[in-house]
Amino acid sequence: KQEVTQIPAALSVPEGENLVLNCSFTDSAIYNLQWFRQDPGKGLTSLLLIQSSQREQTSGRLNASLDKSSGRSTLYIAASQPGDSATYLCAVANAGGTSYGKLTFGQGTILTVHP
Amino acid sequence: NAGVMQNPRHLVRRRGQEARLRCSPMKGHSHVYWYRQLPEEGLKFMVYLQKENIIDESGMPKERFSAEFPKEGPSILRIQQVVRGDSAAYFCASSPWTGGATEAFFGQGTRLTVV
Repeated sequence: KQEVTQIPAALSVPEGENLVLNCSFTDSAIYNLQWFRQDPGKGLTSLLLIQSSQREQTSGRLNASLDKSSGRSTLYIAASQPGDSATYLCAVANAGGTSYGKLTFGQGTILTVHP
Repeated sequence: NAGVMQNPRHLVRRRGQEARLRCSPMKGHSHVYWYRQLPEEGLKFMVYLQKENIIDESGMPKERFSAEFPKEGPSILRIQQVVRGDSAAYFCASSPWTGGATEAFFGQGTRLTVV
């Protein structure tokens, strides 16, 4: 059974800092890994999608890496801003059986960037 | 191209009533996933449907919960005889499905409150 863990559970940083969010998963049989952002009381916004054959993806100030063999991914946020404050969720799309790409989520990292 | 549409956004039901949650996938997407986010918990997979078929309902409670995705119209998640513990945010995601490697797009969710 796939399990996804995110560390740290919460992070508070001053504006301008570069930061790293960590995600680990127990079963390397995945199609892809997605990072999402969730604002309080809102839905999920997809930030980055990394296919199982890829090592990293970049979008603006965000960079996500994937090491499938060790079951790890990191989300790097450069030059953080108060508007980055949100919960960041890591999710893996499981492969095989009847899984057909259903997502297993981590518990999330609550990020606060203060001015 | 409108995103994944869920309605209602907020739903209040008294204990014992029925709750119906609707999800219209993105245009061209024939695969729908339902997830539940309980207070202070992560998102958990409930059910995966294709048009007129339930593919995987391993995350769905055995009683009171049902889901459908008819040939025409939105996917429906139905909860009969709701109880306080059903209070949660219910999210729908859709994908076009190209072997599980595609990005999942989420709706804004339906927040169910049982009083």
